[in-house]
Amino acid sequence: GENVEQHPSTLSVQEGDSAVIKCTYSDSASNYFPWYKQELGKRPQLIIDIRSNVGEKKDQRIAVTLNKTAKHFSLHITETQPEDSAVYFCAADGGNEKLTFGTGTRLTIIP
Amino acid sequence: DTAVSQTPKYLVTQMGNDKSIKCEQNLGHDTMYWYKQDSKKFLKIMFSYNNKELIINETVPNRFSPKSPDKAHLNLHINSLELGDSAVYFCASSQPTGNTEAFFGQGTRLTVV
Repeated sequence: GENVEQHPSTLSVQEGDSAVIKCTYSDSASNYFPWYKQELGKRPQLIIDIRSNVGEKKDQRIAVTLNKTAKHFSLHITETQPEDSAVYFCAADGGNEKLTFGTGTRLTIIP
Repeated sequence: DTAVSQTPKYLVTQMGNDKSIKCEQNLGHDTMYWYKQDSKKFLKIMFSYNNKELIINETVPNRFSPKSPDKAHLNLHINSLELGDSAVYFCASSQPTGNTEAFFGQGTRLTVV
């Protein structure tokens, strides 16, 4: 089955700096890679996703890159703001109704 | 107009009791899931249903029994609750083809005492 590893588990950055979270996956059949943000006490919500036919996708301050050969993908947040503080999860989906999540990264933005 | 709703939001119960969590989605999705989030925030899939049929059953004790009366509902019944069952349980739904966003309910925080 799919195994998704995520690093780092915690990350603190100064407001305005960039944050990068990295994930690797094991199943080469996986072809959909979403990122979810979970604020304290709230549900996980999709912030960006990428499919295997694309190497990079950007949405304002958030970008995701995918390297299918190396089986890793990364989330980049630029110009971080206090409201970016949350737990972020990467995930991989092989199209078999099973979304496997990484272990999460607790991001703290220091004002 | 909540997309995925689950009840109750909080559930405190004693060991050995039986309890149920209900989930409903109004997105017209065919696939629904139950995830367990433990104290370390790990999100682990428990079950996946596609149009009322069980697709995925991860290594979950058989004290956990999902039931899908129709494709808009996926309830979770737990027998003989144990302390280790304490967690937040999330229901979610998506389109069946995968490669699409999964929408989560607000979660049910289960505390077994």
